[in-house]
Amino acid sequence: SQQGEEDPQALSIQEGENATMNCSYKTSINNLQWYRQNSGRGLVHLILIRSNEREKHSGRLRVTLDTSKKSSSLLITASRAADTASYFCATFPGRRALTFGSGTRLQVQP
Amino acid sequence: DTAVSQTPKYLVTQMGNDKSIKCEQNLGHDTMYWYKQDSKKFLKIMFSYNNKELIINETVPNRFSPKSPDKAHLNLHINSLELGDSAVYFCASTPGDPGNTIYFGEGSWLTVV
Repeated sequence: SQQGEEDPQALSIQEGENATMNCSYKTSINNLQWYRQNSGRGLVHLILIRSNEREKHSGRLRVTLDTSKKSSSLLITASRAADTASYFCATFPGRRALTFGSGTRLQVQP
Repeated sequence: DTAVSQTPKYLVTQMGNDKSIKCEQNLGHDTMYWYKQDSKKFLKIMFSYNNKELIINETVPNRFSPKSPDKAHLNLHINSLELGDSAVYFCASTPGDPGNTIYFGEGSWLTVV
């Protein structure tokens, strides 16, 4: 089974609105990462948050991490049509490789 | 100046054939991976190599054989292709510890008919 699971599976919003995606995971982690995948392309790293951090910002992105609830959220503010993509959370449970969820497909309508 | 490059991008082949996907990274990373993404977008680790040595093999059928001639290359050979092997295969690399940021290739779309 997947370590991380994103919610919702799909999200459709209007340009300018905020988009929030959630990720839940099962085991303790060293860090949690968010990636973006445009249609037909590879995944691109967005942001990494360590297990001792609670919140991190990068441009229009804000990530939170709650290790007690084993959950994280990704907020994209003032969304643009170009933000349309799939967003994945990935966790690193110890010495294994990064483990990914199934992604949230975000559609931003112009 | 592509960081992680994999070829071919598209591959259509018949059941039972043997095919290879090549991957090269010019980032100087020590660790390379193969991930498989199915039609539902689940991304699953298949193999991981660190400095040419296999460190992860996630219960992948032994029809799949990775080969790392040097730490910049990790190729994937698949024997006796089956319909269920149809997927997108991503090569990736990371510097140092496996928990660092991963850099992905653009993917190889394999369709078995």
